[in-house]
Amino acid sequence: DQQVKQNSPSLSVQEGRISILNCDYTNSMFDYFLWYKKYPAEGPTFLISISSIKDKNEDGRFTVFLNKSAKHLSLHIVPSQPGDSAVYFCAASPKEGVSRASQKLVFGQGTRLTINP
Amino acid sequence: DGGITQSPKYLFRKEGQNVTLSCEQNLNHDAMYWYRQDPGQGLRLIYYSQIVNDFQKGDIAEGYSVSREKKESFPLTVTSAQKNPTAFYLCASSIMEKDTQYFGPGTRLTVL
Repeated sequence: DQQVKQNSPSLSVQEGRISILNCDYTNSMFDYFLWYKKYPAEGPTFLISISSIKDKNEDGRFTVFLNKSAKHLSLHIVPSQPGDSAVYFCAASPKEGVSRASQKLVFGQGTRLTINP
Repeated sequence: DGGITQSPKYLFRKEGQNVTLSCEQNLNHDAMYWYRQDPGQGLRLIYYSQIVNDFQKGDIAEGYSVSREKKESFPLTVTSAQKNPTAFYLCASSIMEKDTQYFGPGTRLTVL
């Protein structure tokens, strides 16, 4: 059962335009969401996160939007640059009781973003 | 420089052999994790450890074993019982009570 889904395996965007990567989740216990960027043969790099008490978080060119009622989040990159070409993973963390000690992240399958010059 | 190191970058082993993947961090993080990535799939949690001398199974622990004798080290052994060991293995760490995990560069294991 895939609790975090990234339904688009790939996305191609023109340089300078906006890239929008989407992620859906099914578990209503998720209360913290993260986006990671991954280049081939490297470990994922943390990009941006959002808590369920917010609906938007912005960091430079990156903005994450959370729609709790739809159980949907998206990552916007604007303007897109060639160096943004990578695989993007969304991840979610469940709040288990009152403790965050388990901190288990559940990852989506990833979306390969290609920025075309 | 603070960070997470994994060695080696590439590892080849014959079928039936156990192999141990190294993960070291000097970030003073309490929690450490092992994930596996297969082509076209997300990261799947193998084992995690919140404190020294304690660890828990993740979603796909069968065929793997770990130890946490030191805070900075969390080695993963891929045993002969693991049916499909060829994969990209990622180690991560985090501060307790924080959700952001930071990843090492990964080890690609190929079993021939």
